[in-house]
Amino acid sequence: GEDVEQSLFLSVREGDSSVINCTYTDSSSTYLYWYKQEPGAGLQLLTYIFSNMDMKQDQRLTVLLNKKDKHLSLRIADTQTGDSAIYFCAESISGYNKLIFGAGTRLAVHP
Amino acid sequence: GAVVSQHPSWVICKSGTSVKIECRSLDFQATTMFWYRQFPKQSLMLMATSNEGSKATYEQGVEKDKFLINHASLTLSTLTVTSAHPEDSSFYICSARDRLAGDSNEQFFGPGTRLTVL
Repeated sequence: GEDVEQSLFLSVREGDSSVINCTYTDSSSTYLYWYKQEPGAGLQLLTYIFSNMDMKQDQRLTVLLNKKDKHLSLRIADTQTGDSAIYFCAESISGYNKLIFGAGTRLAVHP
Repeated sequence: GAVVSQHPSWVICKSGTSVKIECRSLDFQATTMFWYRQFPKQSLMLMATSNEGSKATYEQGVEKDKFLINHASLTLSTLTVTSAHPEDSSFYICSARDRLAGDSNEQFFGPGTRLTVL
């Protein structure tokens, strides 16, 4: 079946690194995504990774994929107050258009 | 970058009325658009997949006669909530897949429409 799980809440100090974790169950996932949602707004695509990659880095964002364990993580370096938001992990399954979303991790950044 | 707009951004209506929400891809063509529903502090629930020029595909448990979807052009899909009731109050978000996206299934999301039914 299709299931994506995330921890619901993460609190970090400004300037520290944040690591948001996600697990998924479908081994036929082709792409995995991280989206950011600020209050009252839609989703903003942050980055995505193809399932045959282990890592992808984009400025302050680093995505790690462990396909064997079906584990995806998003690391945000030098976390700022503007990074406070809900972060959704999502998977795309081969042959299907739709995305399967996790419940979202609420990231709170404090001084 | 790819931009998706939704209109209206919020709407308040009386119970029993119908509400139409528009989703537009502004700078790309989208053969496929998706409609999601999000309850407070919860994830997005896919309601239906809208394909240009054909009938929408609804997810299990979503009433197609209540949530009418029309995808008449490559840049516009509409969701009509018919005979709305307070339990239909929610945040409705659309996304669009670029016709030229290839295999990445990258979807661009609209800003959402908050529907409140009194």
